[in-house]
Amino acid sequence: AQKITQTQPGMFVQEKEAVTLDCTYDTSDQSYGLFWYKQPSSGEMIFLIYQGSYDEQNATEGRYSLNFQKARKSANLVISASQLGDSAMYFCAMREGGSNDYKLSFGAGTTVTVRA
Amino acid sequence: NAGVTQTPKFQVLKTGQSMTLQCAQDMNHNSMYWYRQDPGMGLRLIYYSASEGTTDKGEVPNGYNVSRLNKREFSLRLESAAPSQTSVYFCASSEAGALLIRHFGDGTRLSIL
Repeated sequence: AQKITQTQPGMFVQEKEAVTLDCTYDTSDQSYGLFWYKQPSSGEMIFLIYQGSYDEQNATEGRYSLNFQKARKSANLVISASQLGDSAMYFCAMREGGSNDYKLSFGAGTTVTVRA
Repeated sequence: NAGVTQTPKFQVLKTGQSMTLQCAQDMNHNSMYWYRQDPGMGLRLIYYSASEGTTDKGEVPNGYNVSRLNKREFSLRLESAAPSQTSVYFCASSEAGALLIRHFGDGTRLSIL
């Protein structure tokens, strides 16, 4: 079964507007971590934001925030005030288990195109 | 700049050839990883090394071998390349216990004809 589901293959957003990228996950672990990465057309993977399952506050990093809804098993990424440089593929990922588990499961990604 | 360095950036192989992808990090991280990314998909874990001297299989290890040469270096070897191994390969590293993978290499684009 898919551990990470990203249902939006592609999205368009107007410059300066906010955009929400959906991510749902499936795990029976109590301890897990959720990540978002950005992959621009140049191909590198850029870490954006992290949320631990026990974190009570939603994670924020600059213009990025993670809307963590534990009961719904969702970890949506919100990008505020979109910029042209935000055009990229965005991946949601999850690490399950405790300190002995080093594996990340990735979703299929969402392509974001920011229009001027 | 500190980070994860992968070599080569591009490579074309013929079916049956072998090659080694190199990865080095200069952040004194204990854990290192190899992922592959196929078109339209997220990354899938091939092998990882939780610490120097240890390696473990990930989700898609078949056809690959790895070596954790020292704390800095983690190499991925294709013994007999197959067209199904055409992919983009990423190396990553993290601090042990932190479980937060922030640092990826720039990737190696590998085509197998």
